[in-house]
Amino acid sequence: QQQVKQSPQSLIVQKGGISIINCAYENTAFDYFPWYQQFPGKGPALLIAIRPDVSEKKEGRFTISFNKSAKQFSLHIMDSQPGDSATYFCAASRNSGNTPLVFGKGTRLSVIA
Amino acid sequence: NAGVTQTPKFQVLKTGQSMTLQCAQDMNHNSMYWYRQDPGMGLRLIYYSASEGTTDKGEVPNGYNVSRLNKREFSLRLESAAPSQTSVYFCASSTQGPIYGYTFGSGTRLTVV
Repeated sequence: QQQVKQSPQSLIVQKGGISIINCAYENTAFDYFPWYQQFPGKGPALLIAIRPDVSEKKEGRFTISFNKSAKQFSLHIMDSQPGDSATYFCAASRNSGNTPLVFGKGTRLSVIA
Repeated sequence: NAGVTQTPKFQVLKTGQSMTLQCAQDMNHNSMYWYRQDPGMGLRLIYYSASEGTTDKGEVPNGYNVSRLNKREFSLRLESAAPSQTSVYFCASSTQGPIYGYTFGSGTRLTVV
């Protein structure tokens, strides 16, 4: 049973465009939702995260939108750049205790000039 | 450089051979994790250690064993390697749980023939 469903699997965006990656979850106990960015040959790195007490969080060109009632959250990359080309993973966990992250299957983003 | 160090970076095993993947962190983190990454499957948790002296199974523990040797080191052992264990293995650590962010190593690419 896949706890976090991520789409699309791959995405091609023109330079300067908006990249949007979506995730949905089933477990209502989840209350921490990070996004990780992975470049080829490297381990993933934390990009941005949100908790369900807010509907949006913005850091530079990266924004998480969160819809608690729909159990969905998404990553928006504004003014996408070739340097943003990477694999992006959404994830979820319970804030309480030390429950490990559950990751989505990843989205390979290519930003073309 | 501070971070998570994984050894080896590459390994080819024959079916039935055994090996241990090493992971060490120098950030005084309490929690450590082993994930495997396969194309189209995302990151799946194998085992984790919430704190020194404890280990727990993740989503895909079959065929693996772990040892939390001390606070710094968390090793993953394949007792009898199978082709299905061909994957990229990532070790990660966090201060105390996912809300503090995971720091990932650069991975071990394992091929079982």
